[in-house]
Amino acid sequence: EADIYQTPRYLVIGTGKKITLECSQTMGHDKMYWYQQDPGMELHLIHYSYGVNSTEKGDLSSESTVSRIRTEHFPLTLESARPSHTSQYLCASAPGGSGGAGELFFGEGSRLTVL
Amino acid sequence: GEDVEQSLFLSVREGDSSVINCTYTDSSSTYLYWYKQEPGAGLQLLTYIFSNMDMKQDQRLTVLLNKKDKHLSLRIADTQTGDSAIYFCAESYYGNNRLAFGKGNQVVVIP
Repeated sequence: EADIYQTPRYLVIGTGKKITLECSQTMGHDKMYWYQQDPGMELHLIHYSYGVNSTEKGDLSSESTVSRIRTEHFPLTLESARPSHTSQYLCASAPGGSGGAGELFFGEGSRLTVL
Repeated sequence: GEDVEQSLFLSVREGDSSVINCTYTDSSSTYLYWYKQEPGAGLQLLTYIFSNMDMKQDQRLTVLLNKKDKHLSLRIADTQTGDSAIYFCAESYYGNNRLAFGKGNQVVVIP
């Protein structure tokens, strides 16, 4: 069982609000990721981190930002939410190092609806 | 960038076998994966195959890899209602630091 947690699970907010989606893992993993999952099921990598103070943009351009001040915590922030941000956001983590199978451990997701 | 293609929907009767297919583009991928997503949940790794293997069997799951055609398949034997989910194939890139996912294949098991 993966020890990675996302809050909130569901959030409905109005346009223009600032929101932060929380992601925490207790496995000591160096690598963490945020994926956006659209209604057609496809996953898009929007941010990733290889360790503390390391953050990179992913393959899909996103207006969100992330921070990695502690190993276990990788929050995602939207400064001004818009309806186009309505989506499911999935956080994942993986152990560090280039060896191994690169398995990702996923949280249960945060479903965001912007009205 | 990496591109992973999957068909979208499959219905199968309980007890039958189901086969999900996927094609990928990056021949340098070290590992290829199958993930399962149940309703309202995140993705969970089902199985993976090292790129120098042709086949891997894990209980009811059989993974076949055709490197020449860059084709990956997952066969689920004796499909059960608990197998109803979305299945994603994925390939690793950038030294296994990142995964590229396919669009997913929804499997519905009919009792």
